[in-house]
Amino acid sequence: EAGVTQFPSHSVIEKGQTVTLRCDPISGHDNLYWYRRVMGKEIKFLLHFVKESKQDESGMPNNRFLAERTGGTYSTLKVQPAELEDSGVYFCASSPTHQTQYFGPGTRLLVL
Amino acid sequence: QQQVKQSPQSLIVQKGGIPIINCAYENTAFDYFPWYQQFPGKGPALLIAIRPDVSEKKEGRFTISFNKSAKQFSLHIMDSQPGDSATYFCATSGSARQLTFGSGTQLTVLP
Repeated sequence: EAGVTQFPSHSVIEKGQTVTLRCDPISGHDNLYWYRRVMGKEIKFLLHFVKESKQDESGMPNNRFLAERTGGTYSTLKVQPAELEDSGVYFCASSPTHQTQYFGPGTRLLVL
Repeated sequence: QQQVKQSPQSLIVQKGGIPIINCAYENTAFDYFPWYQQFPGKGPALLIAIRPDVSEKKEGRFTISFNKSAKQFSLHIMDSQPGDSATYFCATSGSARQLTFGSGTQLTVLP
């Protein structure tokens, strides 16, 4: 069974540009989460989808971040316009149940 | 405010040693306590998890000890191997489902 996949693996952009990250969860997993790790700090929650609906987006830092989940399958996280402090590793995780979450390899974003 | 405090930040042990990583949490509503292992360039992978109705759980060489009254839990790695060298994260969650992570411990096991 394929795991959680994320694309791209790395992205280097300039401040003010737009970047879109994609996550493909494990097939059949209704729950999809986005997390971010900045500058070697702890991994922090961004938001949670149940199927195509946003269940909790309390961790989204500001309105420059927009997440969508088309048809309850893959999800995208768009940052527009990107700022220097957005640099970090963005992880996606999926879960079939209440708590066990399976993480993707992450997208390493560098904003110059 | 960090809700899960993890220590130490880094740890170096000899092969065969027993590294111990500790975490303390604040929110008594948390009811799920997993440990994740992360290798460079990879995402965190679930290693072992415990719920507050038990004080200890073992899976292979990995053991979680849980102290509900002290709001602390720890990971012990028995007979550690160089292949165990990785970053370890503790985490917690409750009814809100999202994971709250500790800051991570970089473990190095020397051959």
